[in-house]
Amino acid sequence: DAKTTQPNSMESNEEEPVHLPCNHSTISGTDYIHWYRQLPSQGPEYVIHGLTSNVNNRMASLAIAEDRKSSTLILHRATLRDAAVYYCIFWRAASYDKVIFGPGTSLSVIP
Amino acid sequence: KAGVTQTPRYLIKTRGQQVTLSCSPISGHRSVSWYQQTPGQGLQFLFEYFSETQRNKGNFPGRFSGRQFSNSRSEMNVSTLELGDSALYLCASSGGQGGSGANVLTFGAGSRLTVL
Repeated sequence: DAKTTQPNSMESNEEEPVHLPCNHSTISGTDYIHWYRQLPSQGPEYVIHGLTSNVNNRMASLAIAEDRKSSTLILHRATLRDAAVYYCIFWRAASYDKVIFGPGTSLSVIP
Repeated sequence: KAGVTQTPRYLIKTRGQQVTLSCSPISGHRSVSWYQQTPGQGLQFLFEYFSETQRNKGNFPGRFSGRQFSNSRSEMNVSTLELGDSALYLCASSGGQGGSGANVLTFGAGSRLTVL
């Protein structure tokens, strides 16, 4: 199954960069790496995804290791609104039943 | 554009009853997937529909069922409710062929079910 490993929790000071790691050692060559976050009382929200190359969007950056067995979500300047649970998953084409959302990383942002 | 809409947002049922939850995907999205979220088990995949066909099913008992209509709206039903069915039920929609990995999921806010 498509299982990822993430730290249970992390803390960051406001306005500082945050690096959220994820291990996905069983990933295969065609699996995309996705990151979602969930704020309290809301559904998960898409953050970023990528296949092989590093990716940037207005929310974050995704750094993918050369062997693709790990990745890092980078929030360049943490704000209080970034406090959420961050889920890293990898997506096996159309195999939703193989996708496992782990417990995620609970990010706390300290003002 | 409008996001994924789930109704109702909150509901309370008693054991043995049945419940139907509704999900309206983003316009143009044909893939709808459902998830159960509990504090103990996290987010677990229930099933996925594409063009009115169930393509994937998670490891849940037959009391959990779903369907998708021609306009891509989807419903899930839970019969003979048990206390352990209390959870946040989330649906997500995806464009393209859905779930290719290149397509992302857009989640609704969820339906919070409490079984007494």
